[in-house]
Amino acid sequence: DAMVIQNPRYQVTQFGKPVTLSCSQTLNHNVMYWYQQKSSQAPKLLFHYYDKDFNNEADTPDNFQSRRPNTSFCFLDIRSPGLGDAAMYLCATSSEVSPYEQYFGPGTRLTVT
Amino acid sequence: GEDVEQSLFLSVREGDSSVINCTYTDSSSTYLYWYKQEPGAGLQLLTYIFSNMDMKQDQRLTVLLNKKDKHLSLRIADTQTGDSAIYFCAESSPNTGNQFYFGTGTSLTVIP
Repeated sequence: DAMVIQNPRYQVTQFGKPVTLSCSQTLNHNVMYWYQQKSSQAPKLLFHYYDKDFNNEADTPDNFQSRRPNTSFCFLDIRSPGLGDAAMYLCATSSEVSPYEQYFGPGTRLTVT
Repeated sequence: GEDVEQSLFLSVREGDSSVINCTYTDSSSTYLYWYKQEPGAGLQLLTYIFSNMDMKQDQRLTVLLNKKDKHLSLRIADTQTGDSAIYFCAESSPNTGNQFYFGTGTSLTVIP
């Protein structure tokens, strides 16, 4: 089935140790998003790619970076995770043909020790 | 960002109808959505409605939109225990680059 896949589902990292979360999609959508969702809060958009064009939200910390090597894959890099970065990280995709439909992956739960 | 507000909790008995409410502030909102999130999982798109509609029905789900009051609701008929989850309202508009703005979610508990 066409879908949005996130690996790993659970990630534990140490304070200050770089970590990379990955997302892949088989929908061939040209737009990919990364959201951060903390407990009992709404998902918060960190950045998105429109094709290869990177769009960073104004309040996304510099600690968060992203890479999109091809249409199918997108990575979230956290350079120096702090305790406050523990959250669920959600990847989503949409197509420019129907931008009003965003499809979400299952998320990666990040724990920072 | 735009404000999207939801009540935090709702509890209903199995078989009853559930109504989850949402208010938003962006009068230029073009699309309004309902997503479902089960524990430990991502967001599942349930349904969406264009701003030029006032109602949309899809099986057990009915979405009502009052554009004048900027109020959106999701009615789930014959609520089942499997409907227990967090329900997020969201809106988007081409005026804000089709960015999604989510509410804080309503936790629905279905009592057997």
